[in-house]
Amino acid sequence: EPEVTQTPSHQVTQMGQEVILRCVPISNHLYFYWYRQILGQKVEFLVSFYNNEISEKSEIFDDQFSVERPDGSNFTLKIRSTKLEDSAMYFCASSEEEALNLEAFFGQGTRLTVV
Amino acid sequence: AQKVTQAQTEISVVEKEDVTLDCVYETRDTTYYLFWYKQPPSGELVFLIRRNSFDEQNEISGRYSWNFQKSTSSFNFTITASQVVDSAVYFCALTSMDSSYKLIFGSGTRLLVRP
Repeated sequence: EPEVTQTPSHQVTQMGQEVILRCVPISNHLYFYWYRQILGQKVEFLVSFYNNEISEKSEIFDDQFSVERPDGSNFTLKIRSTKLEDSAMYFCASSEEEALNLEAFFGQGTRLTVV
Repeated sequence: AQKVTQAQTEISVVEKEDVTLDCVYETRDTTYYLFWYKQPPSGELVFLIRRNSFDEQNEISGRYSWNFQKSTSSFNFTITASQVVDSAVYFCALTSMDSSYKLIFGSGTRLLVRP
């Protein structure tokens, strides 16, 4: 069964460092998403991406964050200068269409720890 | 505005007990989808079910059942004869055109099943 793959599964980084989280969406999917879950809290939408541009972003997704699809298969989330409060589980998701009845498939998550 | 409320923060039951996890949602849309996800201690999000707003039939899948009631805007999840492996955090989520198809999650219910 096709699946969304995220790497690394766990990353520890020093405050102020740049970090790139990687995702390989399901191959025929066109819509890509990043969600974040601070430990013990709800899963929150960060950004959606379609046709090589951001479709929508939340207020959490400030100038420190960026996304790109550099090579047609990977979908990355970059945090330019990490802060302690960026420590969270980051989930990538993809879907075939932007339609209600289609499930967004989630990756297994990357746990980011900023020290 | 879209909102999902899971009022039960944590539930503890003894194995073989039945347990119901509550989910109440708010949306102005008449077409929407509701989801349940399981998050085991390993952290990934496991898709359990998706229901659309036009299908109020209750659904049963093994020990799991779901009760969708539009009149009370609720989509409750029951686990029959709970097992220790059911211990996890369970999230209810909503998507609709009003949310631009992104998933709006509830805060989750932590279920602990004791042997």
